[in-house]
Amino acid sequence: EIVLTQSPATLSLSPGERATLSCRASQSLSSYLAWYQQNPGQAPRLLIYDASNRATGVPARFSGSGSGTDFTLTISSLEPEDFAVYYCQQRSNWPLTFGGGTKVEIK
Amino acid sequence: EVQLVESGGGLVQPGGSLRLSCAASGFTFSSYWMTWVRQAPGKGLEWVASIKQDGSDKYYVDSVKGRFTLSRDNTKNSLSLQMNSLRAEDTAVYYCARGLRAAVTSFDYWGQGTLVTVSS
Repeated sequence: EIVLTQSPATLSLSPGERATLSCRASQSLSSYLAWYQQNPGQAPRLLIYDASNRATGVPARFSGSGSGTDFTLTISSLEPEDFAVYYCQQRSNWPLTFGGGTKVEIK
Repeated sequence: EVQLVESGGGLVQPGGSLRLSCAASGFTFSSYWMTWVRQAPGKGLEWVASIKQDGSDKYYVDSVKGRFTLSRDNTKNSLSLQMNSLRAEDTAVYYCARGLRAAVTSFDYWGQGTLVTVSS
């Protein structure tokens, strides 16, 4: 099973600041990594798939990068609605796995 | 508009059974992989099971193999998860999710979830 480790667990930032979230895999994923955003009491929302492809309707301030074992989600300038929990997910191998999440909170 | 609506959750005793359903609308259901993902209270996301468009391939997380059965009815635009021998650790919100066409095991639409509670 591929283990995904997200860091940091919590990121405290102010609106307008840049957020950089990390996801590290226990083995190479090629580019088969997705990022999701989840607000409390809501279903997850797909942001990025295959490392760097923005999903339909996702604002350009969200970008993904990386390949192999190290991946990054960047939010260029935080909007109030971006304070949420973010998960990475690999689809390189079965079983599919998610990272433990990074909470982006208001500083 | 794509919609996924889960139903069938509830309170069940350990060892009991439940059948979850997901009603799909607003897209050609038979053209998409479908998946169940769960989230225990206050915890992260866990993939449970996925099924290919025609039902010919199914994949399960090890912890549910032999207990859960995933199926789909493309004539009724419906996805089902039969859950037997339920355990306390199966307590979670269960989400039905659609796979992307370009990346079938990344999920672009999700239902609102249905809560399964396993407790005596």
